[in-house]
Amino acid sequence: AQSVTQLGSHVSVSEGALVLLRCNYSSSVPPYLFWYVQYPNQGLQLLLKYTSAATLVKGINGFEAEFKKSETSFHLTKPSAHMSDAAEYFCAVSANYGGSQGNLIFGKGTKLSVKP
Amino acid sequence: DGGITQSPKYLFRKEGQNVTLSCEQNLNHDAMYWYRQDPGQGLRLIYYSQIVNDFQKGDIAEGYSVSREKKESFPLTVTSAQKNPTAFYLCASSTGGGAGNQPQHFGDGTRLSIL
Repeated sequence: AQSVTQLGSHVSVSEGALVLLRCNYSSSVPPYLFWYVQYPNQGLQLLLKYTSAATLVKGINGFEAEFKKSETSFHLTKPSAHMSDAAEYFCAVSANYGGSQGNLIFGKGTKLSVKP
Repeated sequence: DGGITQSPKYLFRKEGQNVTLSCEQNLNHDAMYWYRQDPGQGLRLIYYSQIVNDFQKGDIAEGYSVSREKKESFPLTVTSAQKNPTAFYLCASSTGGGAGNQPQHFGDGTRLSIL
């Protein structure tokens, strides 16, 4: 079965510092991977997706993620944190079995805090 | 602008009462989904529908029911059998097609509480 593990339920960085949010996946076939962001009391917004083209994927708001097959990882990074980046971030893998293709399996989320 | 509309934003349920959460999309998407979100647990799939007049149970379907009579609408009923309904409910849609490489688009959620 596929799964997603996000290391660290809370991450705190200073404004201007590097943001690194970790995501490891488990999949028996090449996966499709997604990062979403959620602001309080709102739905999820797509940041970026990996669908087997380039391994380094650029997304919105200056975020990017690198697919590393050997490490089964898809970590999210941003060179310089901004106060507006404070939110919860979810990594997801697309299910690839039977009638569930297209369903997403989500990690438990990482809440990012940005200190001034 | 195309998008997904969930209503109401806040909903209160009395003991023994069924309540229905609305989800409408104008993205012309085939697939629609309902998730439940609890703090620290991520999103858990309740029901999904890949085509009109068909839907499948997700991981936590007990105490919930859905219908998909129109492509743009996928209402969720939280029945009295759901003993712990307090949560944030999210509806999503995607183009579907079974390839799995299409992202899901989300509404802004409905927060359900027990009176």
